[in-house]
Amino acid sequence: DAKTTQPNSMESNEEEPVHLPCNHSTISGTDYIHWYRQLPSQGPEYVIHGLTSNVNNRMASLAIAEDRKSSTLILHRATLRDAAVYYCILRFVDSNYQLIWGAGTKLIIKP
Amino acid sequence: DTGVSQNPRHKITKRGQNVTFRCDPISEHNRLYWYRQTLGQGPEFLTYFQNEAQLEKSRLLSDRFSAERPKGSFSTLEIQRTEQGDSAMYLCASSFTTGWGYEQYFGPGTRLTVT
Repeated sequence: DAKTTQPNSMESNEEEPVHLPCNHSTISGTDYIHWYRQLPSQGPEYVIHGLTSNVNNRMASLAIAEDRKSSTLILHRATLRDAAVYYCILRFVDSNYQLIWGAGTKLIIKP
Repeated sequence: DTGVSQNPRHKITKRGQNVTFRCDPISEHNRLYWYRQTLGQGPEFLTYFQNEAQLEKSRLLSDRFSAERPKGSFSTLEIQRTEQGDSAMYLCASSFTTGWGYEQYFGPGTRLTVT
């Protein structure tokens, strides 16, 4: 199974952009890149996903490297409510139920 | 619709007892997933259903674990003869099957403590 690598934790100041990196050097051509986040004492929450092209939604942007071996989740203006653990996950199209989760990045927002 | 719900939210049981957790997915979702999450780790996939059919169960942790979704709506996860190592958060998620996104919506989880 392809795996992802993320920093254990990151800090950012409130109101500033945050770039959360993820490495997935063994990704295959049909693996989708998903990001979820988990706020304290809650279940995970979908953030964004993509395959090859950069993606934007109301929560964040996803920048995918041209070789797809890494990606970056961008929160354009972090708030205290964005403090959470962010998971970068690969989903395999041929076994599309399966999300393989790592330990994620704990994002700390400083007021 | 208020999202995925799970009951109970917390369960404390003694080693050797059986426990059952319930998950009510978002009503129009036909896929339902169970995960286990231990402290400091991401969720670990256990099993999933499409409607009432359990399409993958090889990742259930042992034969003490079983799941059902009898009418394609709510689901139950049962752990027989609980062990202290079963202490964890058990998460349920649901999703559509149309399209490639398959965004999963998670419930708040059931925290199991085995004493």
